[in-house]
Amino acid sequence: EPEVTQTPSHQVTQMGQEVILRCVPISNHLYFYWYRQILGQKVEFLVSFYNNEISEKSEIFDDQFSVERPDGSNFTLKIRSTKLEDSAMYFCASSGVGDYEQYFGPGTRLTVT
Amino acid sequence: GQQLNQSPQSMFIQEGEDVSMNCTSSSIFNTWLWYKQDPGEGPVLLIALYKAGELTSNGRLTAQFGITRKDSFLNISASIPSDVGIYFCAGISGTYKYIFGTGTRLKVLA
Repeated sequence: EPEVTQTPSHQVTQMGQEVILRCVPISNHLYFYWYRQILGQKVEFLVSFYNNEISEKSEIFDDQFSVERPDGSNFTLKIRSTKLEDSAMYFCASSGVGDYEQYFGPGTRLTVT
Repeated sequence: GQQLNQSPQSMFIQEGEDVSMNCTSSSIFNTWLWYKQDPGEGPVLLIALYKAGELTSNGRLTAQFGITRKDSFLNISASIPSDVGIYFCAGISGTYKYIFGTGTRLKVLA
């Protein structure tokens, strides 16, 4: 069964450093998403992406965040200058055309020290 | 911003019992989804609802899209130990902006 994959599974970085989180969505999906989940809390929408453009973004997705689809398979989330409060699980998800059923990856745990 | 409140926050039930949980919002959503999250994993889609009043089943799970489009309900019949986890509702706002609920943590006692 096709699945969304994410790398790395755990990333530790120092405050102020840039990080790039990577995702490979399901191959025939065209809509891509990033979410974050602070430990023990709810899943928070960051951004949706379609046709090489951001479709929607939340208030959390400020100028320090960016997304990119650098090739036909990867979808990345960049955090330019990490803060302690960026420590969370980051989930990538994808969905098909005309289909709101999202499938999530296993997540990347980001720890900012 | 938009918020989805789920109740109960957590519940302990005996194996074999039926479970009900709900999700309410002050905003209207045109699509509702229910997910289950196991510890350390991403949410897994259980049921998607697209029309007000719609009732949809997936095995022992049944979900309903409220008539007002401001709420949704999930029922689990004859619970088993592997039903343990966190259940999230999600509503779609705009085109592809998903708002997740606060979650219901379910614990099943064998």
